[in-house]
Amino acid sequence: EAQVTQNPRYLITVTGKKLTVTCSQNMNHEYMSWYRQDPGLGLRQIYYSMNVEVTDKGDVPEGYKVSRKEKRNFPLILESPSPNQTSLYFCASSSATGYSPLHFGNGTRLTVT
Amino acid sequence: DQQVKQNSPSLSVQEGRISILNCDYTNSMFDYFLWYKKYPAEGPTFLISISSIKDKNEDGRFTVFLNKSAKHLSLHIVPSQPGDSAVYFCAARELYNNDMRFGAGTRLTVKP
Repeated sequence: EAQVTQNPRYLITVTGKKLTVTCSQNMNHEYMSWYRQDPGLGLRQIYYSMNVEVTDKGDVPEGYKVSRKEKRNFPLILESPSPNQTSLYFCASSSATGYSPLHFGNGTRLTVT
Repeated sequence: DQQVKQNSPSLSVQEGRISILNCDYTNSMFDYFLWYKKYPAEGPTFLISISSIKDKNEDGRFTVFLNKSAKHLSLHIVPSQPGDSAVYFCAARELYNNDMRFGAGTRLTVKP
């Protein structure tokens, strides 16, 4: 089954404790991205990657890091989480060409206390 | 800046009637427009899309209309069903740029 898999689904952590949210897709997509969803703000892009070893900042990259060492994986790293990073996070992927919709994972709800 | 706007946070309709969800955009370079549906505890799922060379696209009960001069698109659901109750996101991007912009979403409630 074609899918984007994120882990964990729920995460509660404390300020400053490094964490990683994993994302993997099995559709051989070149393009992957991370979004955060906050009430009234919709989905805002954090980082994206056009292909292996190519990443770039989205609209809200502060406090986040990503890496793209393999085509299928695109982990999101919070080196020193803060309470304002409490949010619902989505990983997504798509083909890089033509009219291709984004396919989303099921989300990771992060709470930073 | 919010390039894609959904000005109605919520919409309630009766089962069997038409649901119309609206979306406005500001970037005239957008040429690919999409609607996503999101249920609680799930990721957004792709519903329907339209490219800028068309003004209408249908898929079963769902039709998307694009008015380029007004920079406006809408999603029509006919007839509405209780299972359509979800949050709907409008999205847009340029063809040669994968950067997809999303609206804030509209929560649709279809009452039996």
